[in-house]
Amino acid sequence: KQEVTQIPAALSVPEGENLVLNCSFTDSAIYNLQWFRQDPGKGLTSLLLIQSSQREQTSGRLNASLDKSSGRSTLYIAASQPGDSATYLCAAKGYGGSQGNLIFGKGTKLSVKP
Amino acid sequence: NAGVTQTPKFQVLKTGQSMTLQCAQDMNHNSMYWYRQDPGMGLRLIYYSASEGTTDKGEVPNGYNVSRLNKREFSLRLESAAPSQTSVYFCASTERLGGSANVLTFGAGSRLTVL
Repeated sequence: KQEVTQIPAALSVPEGENLVLNCSFTDSAIYNLQWFRQDPGKGLTSLLLIQSSQREQTSGRLNASLDKSSGRSTLYIAASQPGDSATYLCAAKGYGGSQGNLIFGKGTKLSVKP
Repeated sequence: NAGVTQTPKFQVLKTGQSMTLQCAQDMNHNSMYWYRQDPGMGLRLIYYSASEGTTDKGEVPNGYNVSRLNKREFSLRLESAAPSQTSVYFCASTERLGGSANVLTFGAGSRLTVL
């Protein structure tokens, strides 16, 4: 059964720092891996999706990488801003059965201090 | 704006009451999902619908029923609410179940409290 882990659970950094959020998964047979952002009291917003055949995806100041062999994905945020404060979740989509649902990590709560 | 719309946003129920959470998407997506989010547990799949006319159980289906009314709408029903069903419920949709490049789009959530 796929398990997705995100460490640390919370992270606080000063504005302007570059940072890396980590995501690990136990079953390397994944369709894709997605990173989401969740603001307090809101739904999830998709940030980046990496297909199993890809190594990384970039969008603006965000770069996500995928290493299936080691069961790891990272989300790199460059030049962090207070507006980046949110909870970031990763989710792995597997091939298993007919479900094809995403297995979510519990998230990393990021706080960027001015 | 195109997206996933959930109603109601907030609801308080007494134990044993029933209610239905509504979800509609206007992106012509085939697959729709209901998740619940609890502190320390992350998001867990309750039910999903791969396409119109089909529904399947997810990880935590007990105490819930769903209806895929048409391609746009997917409702979640609690027949006899229990305090353990206090949670934030999210509806989501994607173009199709097996697409490797299909992004999941979420609604804003429905916060349910069962007393």
